[in-house]
Amino acid sequence: LAKTTQPISMDSYEGQEVNITCSHNNIATNDYITWYQQFPSQGPRFIIQGYKTKVTNEVASLFIPADRKSSTLSLPRVSLSDTAVYYCLVGDGYALNFGKGTSLLVTP
Amino acid sequence: GAGVSQSPSNKVTEKGKDVELRCDPISGHTALYWYRQSLGQGLEFLIYFQGNSAPDKSGLPSDRFSAERTGGSVSTLTIQRTQQEDSAVYLCASSPSEGADTQYFGPGTRLTVL
Repeated sequence: LAKTTQPISMDSYEGQEVNITCSHNNIATNDYITWYQQFPSQGPRFIIQGYKTKVTNEVASLFIPADRKSSTLSLPRVSLSDTAVYYCLVGDGYALNFGKGTSLLVTP
Repeated sequence: GAGVSQSPSNKVTEKGKDVELRCDPISGHTALYWYRQSLGQGLEFLIYFQGNSAPDKSGLPSDRFSAERTGGSVSTLTIQRTQQEDSAVYLCASSPSEGADTQYFGPGTRLTVL
């Protein structure tokens, strides 16, 4: 499993765009990049997944450069309810390697 | 539709007792996973089921841990002779198939071993 590195914590104000970058230098050809969100006392929730270039859904965008050694999760105009832990995962199989994630705190 | 459910939501037990944790996956999902999350840590993979068989038990931390799945649906994680270090949140997830499919997580069971 490719190892990922992401910031331990980030702070933001409401209404700002938040970008969380994840490094995965050892990503393999078959690996996908997936981001999950976890609120306190809940299980993780899928946000977005991509292989290369840019993916966008109703919640977030995922930017992946050509070398795929990093990825950036972009959350537009965050609200207080976006306060959560965000996990970057890399792999092509089932044993998700979550790591400690990035704890995002959104304040008024 | 109904998501993944787990029971109990909380379990407090004494050291040395056995516990059973239950997971009801999303109907029709063939793959089922168990993870463990200790306080302030990321999720640790425990075991994976495809149907009723468990091709990968590599994450089970010791032989006190076992899991089964019956009828391709409900799964039970059993911890025998619980120890204090077993205290954690045990999360179950399911997906339509294995591989890079999105995993849908339940709310977890918080286990406290006194």
